[in-house]
Amino acid sequence: EVHLVESGGNLVQPGGSLRLSCAASGFTFSDFWMSWVRQTPGKGLQWVAKIKPDSGLKEYLDSVKGRFTISRDNAQNSLSLEMNSLRAEDTAIYYCVRESRTDPINNWGQGTLVTVSS
Amino acid sequence: DVVMTQSPLSLAVTLGQPASISCRSSQSLVHSSGNTFLDWFQQRPGQSPRRLIYKVSNRDSGVPDRFSGSGSGTDFTLTISRVEAEDVGVYYCVQDTHWPWTFGQGTKVEIK
Repeated sequence: EVHLVESGGNLVQPGGSLRLSCAASGFTFSDFWMSWVRQTPGKGLQWVAKIKPDSGLKEYLDSVKGRFTISRDNAQNSLSLEMNSLRAEDTAIYYCVRESRTDPINNWGQGTLVTVSS
Repeated sequence: DVVMTQSPLSLAVTLGQPASISCRSSQSLVHSSGNTFLDWFQQRPGQSPRRLIYKVSNRDSGVPDRFSGSGSGTDFTLTISRVEAEDVGVYYCVQDTHWPWTFGQGTKVEIK
């Protein structure tokens, strides 16, 4: 069974940093694109970043480009999101997502809450 | 960015009756590959989103066949043929043709 377990969410001050992690199991991690998606009451769902299986391509939402870095460790079956210069508008539940656009494969973790506030 | 517009934003349906949700994109979702990457997600209260439909009309594993998707270009529809109590939640369309992938605002489905 596929499991995606996020961790690292916390309360952080504006301008601060945080590192989110996602532990994956139940599938061959190195075969799949992985993503981070966030959800807020105000802006709804936003696809934040995605990374190719070999880390050879990474894409970011414009509003996080230069501040967030997505990475993966295929040997450890883990996905990360390094978040710097955090802003109040980054406050959200962050989900780790395994997906395929062309096959019936789509899994989400339970999410981890990031709160940016002074 | 591609703007996804859903309607209605809320829907109250009698059990056993059909329901339809419309989704319109601000530009064509036909990818250079010829595929149209338009998905539908369901989010039940207190749960993470779950994909129901991918590439307009393909059901994900385990999704009941009362859920169907249709459409092309910029206009798409999710239909629930006979609504059941477990279908209560918020439904989102999402385009994954053009980066950044973008979601609709969501349609809240409740039982009348």
